[in-house]
Amino acid sequence: IAGITQAPTSQILAAGRRMTLRCTQDMRHNAMYWYRQDLGLGLRLIHYSNTAGTTGKGEVPDGYSVSRANTDDFPLTLASAVPSQTSVYFCASRDSGLGDRGGYTFGSGTRLTVV
Amino acid sequence: GEDVEQSLFLSVREGDSSVINCTYTDSSSTYLYWYKQEPGAGLQLLTYIFSNMDMKQDQRLTVLLNKKDKHLSLRIADTQTGDSAIYFCAETGNTGGFKTIFGAGTRLFVKA
Repeated sequence: IAGITQAPTSQILAAGRRMTLRCTQDMRHNAMYWYRQDLGLGLRLIHYSNTAGTTGKGEVPDGYSVSRANTDDFPLTLASAVPSQTSVYFCASRDSGLGDRGGYTFGSGTRLTVV
Repeated sequence: GEDVEQSLFLSVREGDSSVINCTYTDSSSTYLYWYKQEPGAGLQLLTYIFSNMDMKQDQRLTVLLNKKDKHLSLRIADTQTGDSAIYFCAETGNTGGFKTIFGAGTRLFVKA
């Protein structure tokens, strides 16, 4: 089934540890995104990539880094986790060839708890 | 920056119509979207409307856009318990470059 796969599904992480959230899509979408979802705040964009080899900062990039070595993979790394990074993380992609009407395809999310 | 606002909760009885409202600030909005999020899942695109349209209907879903007031609504006819979810309004505009802004989501409770 075409879509986005995120791993892990959930994780409890000690503060100060490094963690990479994985995201893979098989739809050959050009654009990919990482959002965090917090109660009452909705979705906030962390980083994005319009095409392989390029990345950009979103609304809340501090403490996170991304890479886009190829079309399919867009990992998100927390270099040194802090409790405020406890959240549900969603990876999304979009077929930029459809223009804005394409909407986003979302993964099922990674629930991260930093203790 | 640009903003999208929604009420946080809505409760309706099964069989009634649900209306979820959204306001936005970006006057350059081109597309507006409604997404549905079920428990433990990611967001799923329900429908979208282009900014030069006033209304779009898709089976039980009706989207109304008042561009003058920057108001978007989603009406769900004959609401079922399976419609219980969080509904997100989102818009894409040219302000500050291509960017999609999401609202905080409206949690719809459907009472049997």
